[in-house]
Amino acid sequence: DAGITQSPRHKVTETGTPVTLRCHQTENHRYMYWYRQDPGHGLRLIHYSYGVKDTDKGEVSDGYSVSRSKTEDFLLTLESATSSQTSVYFCAIKPGTGNSGNTIYFGEGSWLTVV
Amino acid sequence: AQTVTQSQPEMSVQEAETVTLSCTYDTSESDYYLFWYKQPPSRQMILVIRQEAYKQQNATENRFSVNFQKAAKSFSLKISDSQLGDAAMYFCAYRSPLLNQGAQKLVFGQGTRLTINP
Repeated sequence: DAGITQSPRHKVTETGTPVTLRCHQTENHRYMYWYRQDPGHGLRLIHYSYGVKDTDKGEVSDGYSVSRSKTEDFLLTLESATSSQTSVYFCAIKPGTGNSGNTIYFGEGSWLTVV
Repeated sequence: AQTVTQSQPEMSVQEAETVTLSCTYDTSESDYYLFWYKQPPSRQMILVIRQEAYKQQNATENRFSVNFQKAAKSFSLKISDSQLGDAAMYFCAYRSPLLNQGAQKLVFGQGTRLTINP
């Protein structure tokens, strides 16, 4: 158990509405990530963070923004949701030290449907 | 940029038999990490095995082992004595070891769906 909690786990929203997904971790890990998973694409990185207020874009960042105002929370916001953003969203963390510091661990996923 | 390719969208194996899932990657780096993750129907991403590129010895975790061929940029996963609970999507992933902040991320293959036949 990597101590990662995603919320909400399931959400249906309408096109054009803003949506925020929350990732909460309990172990003060420095690195946090947001991935999306779509059929035929595996997991693709949206945004990541390497510290409080330190974030950067991944390969599919268009339409998404993130914020990290404290170590334990990493928020992903869809400013105006579109149907193409219907996906499963995974938060992940990477411990900073020790043998486990080489591995990235995932939350349980958030299912988002945009109708 | 690094890329990871899994050329087998689907595989099936008889229970108790052995199956090998293929993965190739492209990189110009000499040191890196490779991973296999399992995703059962629950969609949870579970780490199966990890290989450090600087280690010549292939990693092993119980019934799971890898065949790491660095020169060929190949990283296959062998599952021995397949069990019904092994049925899942399997993802190969690459991570750079660089200390650059932007490099601490995983690049995934497209996945292989493994079916276990009783």
